[in-house]
Amino acid sequence: TQLLEQSPQFLSIQEGENLTVYCNSSSVFSSLQWYRQEPGEGPVLLVTVVTGGEVKKLKRLTFQFGDARKDSSLHITAAQPGDTGLYLCAGAPAGNNRKLIWGLGTSLAVNP
Amino acid sequence: DAEITQSPRHKITETGRQVTLACHQTWNHNNMFWYRQDLGHGLRLIHYSYGVQDTNKGEVSDGYSVSRSNTEDLPLTLESAASSQTSVYFCASSESRVSQAFFGQGTRLTVV
Repeated sequence: TQLLEQSPQFLSIQEGENLTVYCNSSSVFSSLQWYRQEPGEGPVLLVTVVTGGEVKKLKRLTFQFGDARKDSSLHITAAQPGDTGLYLCAGAPAGNNRKLIWGLGTSLAVNP
Repeated sequence: DAEITQSPRHKITETGRQVTLACHQTWNHNNMFWYRQDLGHGLRLIHYSYGVQDTNKGEVSDGYSVSRSNTEDLPLTLESAASSQTSVYFCASSESRVSQAFFGQGTRLTVV
């Protein structure tokens, strides 16, 4: 069974702090997606990374795909209350394009 | 703009009743998915469809069924609702099987 493990599961920080969340697996993925889900809404895609070692930036968010395409990280600089939400990673297994594999998510609370 | 809509947004039903949750997308996507989201379990795949007349079981399909008679709709039926099926249900669609998933806003189902 292919798994994506996200850590930490919960994170509560003050506005202005930096943070990193991780998405790890023992399996190789052809691509990996990061979503943010706000309360009462469905997840919304933030970014897709497809190349080992790739780094993508979205304003204060930096996404990295591991060289071996087994892991990814999301770094937020100077977090703001608007960053509060559930961050989910989802991977497309290499050699098997039937469906995405989802992590359990990291619940982030940024306090003013 | 294309969208994916779920109805109802909230529903309370009694144990043993049949319940159908609607999902309608205007993306013209072949791939559609039903998930349930529960604390501690993340998004779990119930059923999915890769096109008209195609349906497949996900990891938690017991007690649920789907049918795909057209591209736009994938209704989810709970044959005989049980308290264990109290959850938030999300429908999603995607252009390819593992590309960006577009989610509906969810249906909060309570079985009493």
